[in-house]
Amino acid sequence: QVQLQESGPGLVKPSETLSLTCTVSGGSINSHYWSWIRQPPGKGLEWIGYIYYSGSTNYIPSLKSRVTISVDTSKNQFSLKLSSVTAADTAVYYCARFLVDEDYFDYWGQGTLVTVSS
Amino acid sequence: QSALTQPASVSGSPGQSITISCTGTSSDVGGYNYVSWYQQHPGKAPKIMIYEVSNRPSGVPDRFSGSKSGNTASLTISGLQAEDEADYYCSSYTSSSTRVFGGGTKLTVL
Repeated sequence: QVQLQESGPGLVKPSETLSLTCTVSGGSINSHYWSWIRQPPGKGLEWIGYIYYSGSTNYIPSLKSRVTISVDTSKNQFSLKLSSVTAADTAVYYCARFLVDEDYFDYWGQGTLVTVSS
Repeated sequence: QSALTQPASVSGSPGQSITISCTGTSSDVGGYNYVSWYQQHPGKAPKIMIYEVSNRPSGVPDRFSGSKSGNTASLTISGLQAEDEADYYCSSYTSSSTRVFGGGTKLTVL
């Protein structure tokens, strides 16, 4: 059973960089796509982007200038960096495995709340 | 890209059927058979219920079904049960190779 676990600071100051890591267990990160999705409190889901284990990426255009998703296959982890954050970036951040052939997210982490505040 | 349009809320009594719509454009929902539906209970991560418009992953009850007509996809839940009360989100592939979610629909089982 594949499991995903997000980790990182729960509080980030405005204008700083949000950094999260997703650790994959119960399966290899190889040969799959891995994604970040966020959900502001009380609001809907927003796809941020994904990375293939080889390193190729795809991001939502509205965040493309601020977001970087990277992968470390040796640690079975992938990461999210979002720069120049504002209060609008406050959200629960989920990592998920993405099945590209069927086009859906099958395994999700439990989510981690990141608050942007001084 | 704009979020797909879903009704904010729907409701039904146990045993009844409900349908949740998800409206996009020809650049997402209408252009591809890559629409999926997720169920989210409060404080929990979303769970896949339907993929590729109408396919159910193993373990999902056959009470859940999906369809699409033009730019609108639909999720139908028949034989409503109390445990079905949750938020539901649609998602679609887009012509930019990105993914977009709907705004979400709160299902209340009366």
